[in-house]
Amino acid sequence: EAQVTQNPRYLITVTGKKLTVTCSQNMNHEYMSWYRQDPGLGLRQIYYSMNVEVTDKGDVPEGYKVSRKEKRNFPLILESPSPNQTSLYFCASSSWGQGFTEAFFGQGTRLTVV
Amino acid sequence: KQEVTQIPAALSVPEGENLVLNCSFTDSAIYNLQWFRQDPGKGLTSLLLIQSSQREQTSGRLNASLDKSSGRSTLYIAASQPGDSATYLCAVRGSGNTGFQKLVFGTGTRLLVSP
Repeated sequence: EAQVTQNPRYLITVTGKKLTVTCSQNMNHEYMSWYRQDPGLGLRQIYYSMNVEVTDKGDVPEGYKVSRKEKRNFPLILESPSPNQTSLYFCASSSWGQGFTEAFFGQGTRLTVV
Repeated sequence: KQEVTQIPAALSVPEGENLVLNCSFTDSAIYNLQWFRQDPGKGLTSLLLIQSSQREQTSGRLNASLDKSSGRSTLYIAASQPGDSATYLCAVRGSGNTGFQKLVFGTGTRLLVSP
């Protein structure tokens, strides 16, 4: 089954404690991206990656890092989480080699920073 | 800067009604448009993808149309069912050098279908 898998689904952490949210896709997609969803603001892009070792900032990259060492994985790293990073996070992937196709999203990670 | 608006923000209908959800976008230079549904506490499920060269797409009871020149898309749901209750999101991928890297989302229409 084609899917994007995020872990963990729920996370409560304290300010300043480094954390990583993992994302893995099994569709051999070149393109992957992270979004956060906040009430009244909708979904906003954090970072994206067009292929292995190619990443770039989205609209709200401050406080986040990413890496793309393998095609299937695109982890989101919060080096020093703060309460304003409390949000619902989604990872997405698409194929784009022959033009962008349908975007697939993970089930989401609900992060609370206290 | 692309902006996506969805109207209405919320909609409540009795089971069996046909309904239309609206999505408008400010920049007509789009690559494609995708409709999603989001259930509470769940991820986004893709419903339909319309490429910029297409006018409509159909899947079961769902039909999505695209009018690029007027910056509008509609999602038509036929014979609505309680299981259709969810938030529906419209997202646009831009074209050109700076638009294709992301989807720009509307804030959604929350649909409730009563038995």
